[in-house]
Amino acid sequence: QKEVEQNSGPLSVPEGAIASLNCTYSDRGSQSFFWYRQYSGKSPELIMSIYSNGDKEDGRFTAQLNKASQYVSLLIRDSQPSDSATYLCAVKRYNAGNNRKLIWGLGTSLAVNP
Amino acid sequence: EAGVAQSPRYKIIEKRQSVAFWCNPISGHATLYWYQQILGQGPKLLIQFQNNGVVDDSQLPKDRFSAERLKGVDSTLKIQPAKLEDSAVYLCASTPGGPDTQYFGPGTRLTVL
Repeated sequence: QKEVEQNSGPLSVPEGAIASLNCTYSDRGSQSFFWYRQYSGKSPELIMSIYSNGDKEDGRFTAQLNKASQYVSLLIRDSQPSDSATYLCAVKRYNAGNNRKLIWGLGTSLAVNP
Repeated sequence: EAGVAQSPRYKIIEKRQSVAFWCNPISGHATLYWYQQILGQGPKLLIQFQNNGVVDDSQLPKDRFSAERLKGVDSTLKIQPAKLEDSAVYLCASTPGGPDTQYFGPGTRLTVL
């Protein structure tokens, strides 16, 4: 089992619809979760972080965290063609020596069709 | 504020040749990461520096890859000799301290023929 799992997609939604992206993680002790967006040929950029159970909203984006079920999701409301990208889920892990690093999923490709 | 700089942007080499990549992080960022991203996959951490010290190189293929961060600022990643499976984008990222908000450079796309 991978530490961070995402459906690779592609997920295709019509313009104006809600896109739902899901991520599960294996380390029950994980506390911090991130969604990065990566446009084709570009580098990842952080769009959402979430640390507590429940929902966190930022504009058209909502991150949802359920630690008991070990999943985190990203909802994009009123999807636009400019949202077409790969969305990477990342989970912060503590290593020996209390070093922290992000464990990355493979990413979900989203296509928003006009 | 200037972002993370990387060079070169593209590199094509033949297998068994050597190659080096350079990264200059955002000014004042203590932590620097080198990632390998193969097409269709998420970033894989190769090495993490805190100032000029290595804190995690557990996934760095040390028989062929090396990295340094002299003076705790810019960094170089070297591959010698390169293999076909090293074809990927090499991303450099930096943060002021912890790994939460990582600022990525544009990456170097390496093709090994």
